[in-house]
Amino acid sequence: GQQLNQNPQSMFIQEGEDVSMNCTSSSIFNTWLWYKQDPGEGPVLLIALYKAGELTSNGRLTAQFGITRKDSFLNISASIPSDVGIYFCAGELSGTYKYIFGTGTRLKVLA
Amino acid sequence: DGGITQSPKYLFRKEGQNVTLSCEQNLNHDAMYWYRQDPGQGLRLIYYSQIVNDFQKGDIAEGYSVSREKKESFPLTVTSAQKNPTAFYLCASSIELAADTQYFGPGTRLTVL
Repeated sequence: GQQLNQNPQSMFIQEGEDVSMNCTSSSIFNTWLWYKQDPGEGPVLLIALYKAGELTSNGRLTAQFGITRKDSFLNISASIPSDVGIYFCAGELSGTYKYIFGTGTRLKVLA
Repeated sequence: DGGITQSPKYLFRKEGQNVTLSCEQNLNHDAMYWYRQDPGQGLRLIYYSQIVNDFQKGDIAEGYSVSREKKESFPLTVTSAQKNPTAFYLCASSIELAADTQYFGPGTRLTVL
């Protein structure tokens, strides 16, 4: 099965810093979803994107659906300790009914 | 409260035994999914169901089986044929197949001893 390239794999940042991560692929996607997962728990949906070029915010989080429909970006501004976790992207592969998941970005915030 | 529940949270089984993981949702969603999560990898689709009494194989269906007799329930059986069953299993649902956001349950961690 296919997987998305998600970068970076892990990040250690200071509290208050901004964070950026992305998912890229050679395939075209119709929808992008961004999730956060705490250890031992299920992923929680953060942001959903449905159109190329779309920019959507959810509090300190902002995500964008790439113009080429092959990538997406998630930014977190002014990070806080509770932002710690694993962030996943998921893209609905065009022409299918399946979501492909990124390998995750593990975020650690140092107080 | 509406949501997806999975039970048990932790499950241990001996090699050679079948085991069934429960997934229930009260969101009135038509579509349900089972994923497997291994360290350092993205979620991989095992099976999905668009509607009651219908289900399709995902990318890694070998060694697994499912049923969808009720809209609310989509149990997953990990059979003895699954060569490497130790993993974190996640169930999800969406209003309809794929063209909508998927909501996840809390997961079941299966360990084969």
